[in-house]
Amino acid sequence: GEEVAQTPKHLVRGEGQKAKLYCAPIKGHSYVFWYQQVLKNEFKFLISFQNENVFDETGMPKERFSAKCLPNSPCSLEIQATKLEDSAVYFCASSQTGTGTYGYTFGSGTRLTVV
Amino acid sequence: RKEVEQDPGPFNVPEGATVAFNCTYSNSASQSFFWYRQDCRKEPKLLMSVYSSGNEDGRFTAQLNRASQYISLLIRDSKLSDSATYLCVVNTDKLIFGTGTRLQVFP
Repeated sequence: GEEVAQTPKHLVRGEGQKAKLYCAPIKGHSYVFWYQQVLKNEFKFLISFQNENVFDETGMPKERFSAKCLPNSPCSLEIQATKLEDSAVYFCASSQTGTGTYGYTFGSGTRLTVV
Repeated sequence: RKEVEQDPGPFNVPEGATVAFNCTYSNSASQSFFWYRQDCRKEPKLLMSVYSSGNEDGRFTAQLNRASQYISLLIRDSKLSDSATYLCVVNTDKLIFGTGTRLQVFP
């Protein structure tokens, strides 16, 4: 498709529960990026993929966060045992290049609320 | 120090005004530069790329000074619909976002 599709739009989880977010990149885009935006507008890079391979995972909290991009499936970001501070909007973006030369196209985000 | 610094604002300007936003970045190896616009916690949307030669798109002009590691955005003849948060974005090996400058245009 011509847009980055993220589901669900909203997700509410109790502390300690699992959260799973999905992202379908634009057709033909090889690179997928996940960002976390917390209340103060700060965008934190989490992880990127080139097709199904991890490209850069320097922003991923190692303990509770994991992500996958499998062939013929939406990419996913999973948070095990959510904490209150995981409440944020999670944006997925895709790009034809990994270097971001032309910028990225973002999905509309998943708003995760941990209560 | 943040990698990309912006004045958070808000900038409150009347319709028709000219407003300028500035941004500095710390990584001299940064390769490409952008301004994104974000409305009310929606997804950021690419407004324009920024080049050293300066570039213009309608009422918007962007400028990059690599020596000073400084990026600017000028909006002329502000419209109510320009009200949004403007994000300065720098590409090293991934996009790094500033915290954004909020613009509110009033009638």
